[in-house]
Amino acid sequence: AQSVSQHNHHVILSEAASLELGCNYSYGGTVNLFWYVQYPGQHLQLLLKYFSGDPLVKGIKGFEAEFIKSKFSFNLRKPSVQWSDTAEYFCAVIDYKLSFGAGTTVTVRA
Amino acid sequence: KAGVTQTPRYLIKTRGQQVTLSCSPISGHRSVSWYQQTPGQGLQFLFEYFSETQRNKGNFPGRFSGRQFSNSRSEMNVSTLELGDSALYLCASSLGPGNGNEQFFGPGTRLTVL
Repeated sequence: AQSVSQHNHHVILSEAASLELGCNYSYGGTVNLFWYVQYPGQHLQLLLKYFSGDPLVKGIKGFEAEFIKSKFSFNLRKPSVQWSDTAEYFCAVIDYKLSFGAGTTVTVRA
Repeated sequence: KAGVTQTPRYLIKTRGQQVTLSCSPISGHRSVSWYQQTPGQGLQFLFEYFSETQRNKGNFPGRFSGRQFSNSRSEMNVSTLELGDSALYLCASSLGPGNGNEQFFGPGTRLTVL
């Protein structure tokens, strides 16, 4: 079964700092990868997805992720975070179901 | 277009009772998946329905069951509730099954078992 692991459990940043969240997947074949975000009190929302093609994927709210097949990684980045980026972030891989990582809580201090 | 709706949003039950949660997918979406979210186990897949048929099931006991109606609405049922069933239950809908279909999530039902 496919799985993903996220490196960080909790990240604390100041506004305008850069953010990078690590995600590694287990499957060596073709993978479809996602980053979801869950803002406090809100439902899970899709930030971005990678199916094929350009390994640098741009999503909503200024987020991007890079798929590096040789490293089995799909790291999420944002050059300059805002207080409103405080949320929990989940990396996920899909076969017939979404398999999520444990999540990373990101706290942005104003 | 309305998003995925789930009812009720909050529920408190006692051990041994049963509960039914409801999910209405986005209009035109025919696939519904259910997930359980807990602080300890994270997000775990329960089951997926498409065309009123359960296509896939996660690693949960038989107390967890579900069904899908002809209008694609889905319900999940948990019988003989245990304390450990306390969780946020999320429903996600997509156009159809398969890897290429993005899943859209509802706000969840927060179940507390006392």
